[in-house]
Amino acid sequence: AQSVAQPEDQVNVAEGNPLTVKCTYSVSGNPYLFWYVQYPNRGLQFLLKYITGDNLVKGSYGFEAEFNKSQTSFHLKKPSALVSDSALYFCAVRTSGTYKYIFGTGTRLKVLA
Amino acid sequence: EPEVTQTPSHQVTQMGQEVILRCVPISNHLYFYWYRQILGQKVEFLVSFYNNEISEKSEIFDDQFSVERPDGSNFTLKIRSTKLEDSAMYFCASSEARQPGTEAFFGQGTRLTVV
Repeated sequence: AQSVAQPEDQVNVAEGNPLTVKCTYSVSGNPYLFWYVQYPNRGLQFLLKYITGDNLVKGSYGFEAEFNKSQTSFHLKKPSALVSDSALYFCAVRTSGTYKYIFGTGTRLKVLA
Repeated sequence: EPEVTQTPSHQVTQMGQEVILRCVPISNHLYFYWYRQILGQKVEFLVSFYNNEISEKSEIFDDQFSVERPDGSNFTLKIRSTKLEDSAMYFCASSEARQPGTEAFFGQGTRLTVV
């Protein structure tokens, strides 16, 4: 069965420090990987995606993510965290032959001033 | 920036009642989805819809659920006879293409509370 794991329910980081939000996946076939962010009372906002090619992808608001095929991971990173980055982050995967995005359980990021 | 909009933001209904959740997808998108998130749990796929028919559905999407695109702009999810376990946040989404590398855009959600 296809699945996505986000092992940390919450990540705390000081403002200005680098942040990493972890995601691993398990699929048969090639994965198409996505990160979404949810602010309070808002929908899921698309941040970035990996389809193919360069393993490091850049997205909105200075976020980037690194695809690692051997470790089946797609960790979200940012070199310098802002308090405004505090939100709920979801990793998702999709494969060919299906319309559905499979989501992880979400990681709450708290950036402390 | 175009966005997916959902109404209402919060709906409270009695068990056994019918509810209709409404969504206006992004105007040039052709693929539509419903997802739900029970409090503290994963975001789960319910159904995808294209060209006026269901293209894929999950095991959650049983006979109590139906979807419709009644006009050129709205996309609705109907739950015929609500159960307590239907209480969740329901997200509508749309995408412009079917390729698996295409991102979906999500609405802000409707919180359904069944009492």
